[in-house]
Amino acid sequence: DSGVTQTPKHLITATGQRVTLRCSPRSGDLSVYWYQQSLDQGLQFLIQYYNGEERAKGNILERFSAQQFPDLHSELNLSSLELGDSALYFCASSKEWGLNGYTFGSGTRLTVV
Amino acid sequence: GENVEQHPSTLSVQEGDSAVIKCTYSDSASNYFPWYKQELGKGPQLIIDIRSNVGEKKDQRIAVTLNKTAKHFSLHITETQPEDSAVYFCAARYPNTGNQFYFGTGTSLTVIP
Repeated sequence: DSGVTQTPKHLITATGQRVTLRCSPRSGDLSVYWYQQSLDQGLQFLIQYYNGEERAKGNILERFSAQQFPDLHSELNLSSLELGDSALYFCASSKEWGLNGYTFGSGTRLTVV
Repeated sequence: GENVEQHPSTLSVQEGDSAVIKCTYSDSASNYFPWYKQELGKGPQLIIDIRSNVGEKKDQRIAVTLNKTAKHFSLHITETQPEDSAVYFCAARYPNTGNQFYFGTGTSLTVIP
């Protein structure tokens, strides 16, 4: 157990729907990062939050949004889902902003049918 | 732009042999290079890292080397075992983009018993 908790582990939904993925960072970590991993693809950075504030955006679609709450957990919202959104979504956390490597959760596997 | 190239994409070795994975980064300001191991169905796990003030770091059967001049860094696994079979990702931190990490596309390592 890495200490980063992601729920749900698996999610199957239909095109056009909206889903919310949840992440609880490791205790004491202030930064949360979201990554997308598609089949045969590497880790694509989506967005980063630090202590409740958005710090950086990567290749995140306008249909996707995220937030980090006062208790530091984060949610990634995916709307108007398309078949191509099927992927593994990972959350990672770190103590400081980018000083050391990240601790990843076990991911949420999203399947859009 | 920010880029991390990783080779090879797949690697098969006999148990007991060595495995080498190579990465190249583009920004000479990069100063921290972690390596992650992702086992099937799990999130990436940090296994070793190196900072730009050293040229080599070892941890038991795993070592990482860094050539700042050539902007190359490599992961070396000696005396490979079947449990080393996984996907390995390299990453580089780019200070000029807010300390974001950029990941290589991954190497799928298979150790044949």
